[in-house]
Amino acid sequence: DVKVTQSSRYLVKRTGEKVFLECVQDMDHENMFWYRQDPGLGLRLIYFSYDVKMKEKGDIPEGYSVSREKKERFSLILESASTNQTSMYLCASRLPFGRNEKLFFGSGTQLSVL
Amino acid sequence: GENVEQHPSTLSVQEGDSAVIKCTYSDSASNYFPWYKQELGKGPQLIIDIRSNVGEKKDQRIAVTLNKTAKHFSLHITETQPEDSAVYFCAARTYGSSNTGKLIFGQGTTLQVKP
Repeated sequence: DVKVTQSSRYLVKRTGEKVFLECVQDMDHENMFWYRQDPGLGLRLIYFSYDVKMKEKGDIPEGYSVSREKKERFSLILESASTNQTSMYLCASRLPFGRNEKLFFGSGTQLSVL
Repeated sequence: GENVEQHPSTLSVQEGDSAVIKCTYSDSASNYFPWYKQELGKGPQLIIDIRSNVGEKKDQRIAVTLNKTAKHFSLHITETQPEDSAVYFCAARTYGSSNTGKLIFGQGTTLQVKP
């Protein structure tokens, strides 16, 4: 089965720090996604990438950027972390749109910004 | 854009009872509706999905129904077991500017099955 690996399970950072969240998938999926999960708000899409070096803004991109230099790796960057970015971050991947709709999620990174 | 509302936010049932979670969506162009289950400490996993050309789909103890006219869909779990305890998310697929199709998720339902 597909494995989506997120580099850290828990992360604690200071306000203003630059934060990198890494995600790697091992099934050669073209599409990759970053969501944040907050109680009562569900999963909200931050950014997604449908191919290497391609990216598209999701619903809440402000304060974030992404990098997709290799097909298997999709990084989420918090340019200057703020307390309102404390959240659970979930990475996901899938085959190209129209081939298979199933999203495969990583286990998540719980980020705390102090 | 698409908006998905999910109810209830929490649901507690006795083992063996049925559980129903409901979602409504706003974009009539949405045509794919998956349900994900998230167990503690894990990422969400797809458990069942339905497309707009189908009204109902079953997989053992779980079923999903879709009413396109009313723009709502529901997850039904029968004969609940303690291992069904988890957070459940519904979603609807909408289309981004690149026509890549993105999922909009509901707020989630925490299901507790009491032994």
